[in-house]
Amino acid sequence: GAGVSQTPSNKVTEKGKYVELRCDPISGHTALYWYRQSLGQGPEFLIYFQGTGAADDSGLPNDRFFAVRPEGSVSTLKIQRTERGDSAVYLCASSLRQGTEDEQYFGPGTRLTVT
Amino acid sequence: QQQVKQSPQSLIVQKGGISIINCAYENTAFDYFPWYQQFPGKGPALLIAIRPDVSEKKEGRFTISFNKSAKQFSLHIMDSQPGDSATYFCAARDTDKLIFGTGTRLQVFP
Repeated sequence: GAGVSQTPSNKVTEKGKYVELRCDPISGHTALYWYRQSLGQGPEFLIYFQGTGAADDSGLPNDRFFAVRPEGSVSTLKIQRTERGDSAVYLCASSLRQGTEDEQYFGPGTRLTVT
Repeated sequence: QQQVKQSPQSLIVQKGGISIINCAYENTAFDYFPWYQQFPGKGPALLIAIRPDVSEKKEGRFTISFNKSAKQFSLHIMDSQPGDSATYFCAARDTDKLIFGTGTRLQVFP
């Protein structure tokens, strides 16, 4: 079946602009995660959705970052007033979260460059 | 402490050799330890995972060894192949999120 997809694959924006990054999880996966990966580093957790609600948003760096998942499937990560330090690859993952089944499957990521 | 410490940062192995990557953690609440493989320009792909009640798990050429008392775990890649050249990340689950190590860049030469 289809894996996690993310659009766009690349996004270049100017400092101060607003961006939206989209994630389509694997069909049937109730859990959705956003991570951010800076160059040469491991992914860092941003936010976790179980269904439509954000169950854990402790990784969001500040209030410029916001994410939604209104129908419990597709999610959008929104970044306001972008800064050069926001440049990174934004990864989305999904999982079944049933019993002990909890493997997180990652999408290819969106590479965000803030100029 | 939320960190997962990973070593080495880079590793060069001859084809057919054994690649070993080590990770250590402090938080005893971590309950699931996956390893991910990442190729340039791609997202991380789950390779193999282990739970702390098991000391070893093997899948094909890949083995995880887990030492709960030492709070350490490692990935062994047997008969390493050039196609294994990638960056490998260990991770640990904290409630719902994964905490990743800093990665090991593996190069396997023919």
